[in-house]
Amino acid sequence: GAGVSQSPSNKVTEKGKDVELRCDPISGHTALYWYRQSLGQGLEFLIYFQGNSAPDKSGLPSDRFSAERTGGSVSTLTIQRTQQEDSAVYLCASSPRGSGGAGDTQYFGPGTRLTVL
Amino acid sequence: AQSVAQPEDQVNVAEGNPLTVKCTYSVSGNPYLFWYVQYPNRGLQFLLKYITGDNLVKGSYGFEAEFNKSQTSFHLKKPSALVSDSALYFCAVRDYRGSGNTGKLIFGQGTTLQVKP
Repeated sequence: GAGVSQSPSNKVTEKGKDVELRCDPISGHTALYWYRQSLGQGLEFLIYFQGNSAPDKSGLPSDRFSAERTGGSVSTLTIQRTQQEDSAVYLCASSPRGSGGAGDTQYFGPGTRLTVL
Repeated sequence: AQSVAQPEDQVNVAEGNPLTVKCTYSVSGNPYLFWYVQYPNRGLQFLLKYITGDNLVKGSYGFEAEFNKSQTSFHLKKPSALVSDSALYFCAVRDYRGSGNTGKLIFGQGTTLQVKP
């Protein structure tokens, strides 16, 4: 079946602009995660959605970052007033369950490479 | 706090030789451990996981990992390395809070495996 998809694959933007990154999880997966991969910080958790529960936003680095998940499926990560330190690969993952399925595998999309000039 | 350590930035092996990529963890509750591989400009691909049961876990592409509770380790192994195994490998543990497992994964810094012909 189809895996996790993300768009765009690459995004180049100017400092101060807003960007939106999209994630389509595997159909039927109730949990969706956003991570960021950068040279200096490795792989870091950003935000996690599970069903209709309030998202876990504990990893968002600043209030310029926000995310939503519409209809329990597609998610959009928005970065406002981008800064050069936001340059990274943004990875989305989904799993059948969230915290209720601790052993569930998270399946990752190919990522969006964001470059802020 | 939960953490994962991959003590080697890079591992070099000759094709046909056995390989080991090391991972140690620290977690408050039951450890749920994962290995992922990342090829250049690609997302993370799931290799294997330990949830419970046998300490030796077998996964994709001939990889296996041994869970050692006393040493808090989960080293990735393969009996005979291939040049195509060259990639970036991440160990991860499911985050745990006082109330139980959370949704997110905590990743090690990654180990680059270089297999030479």
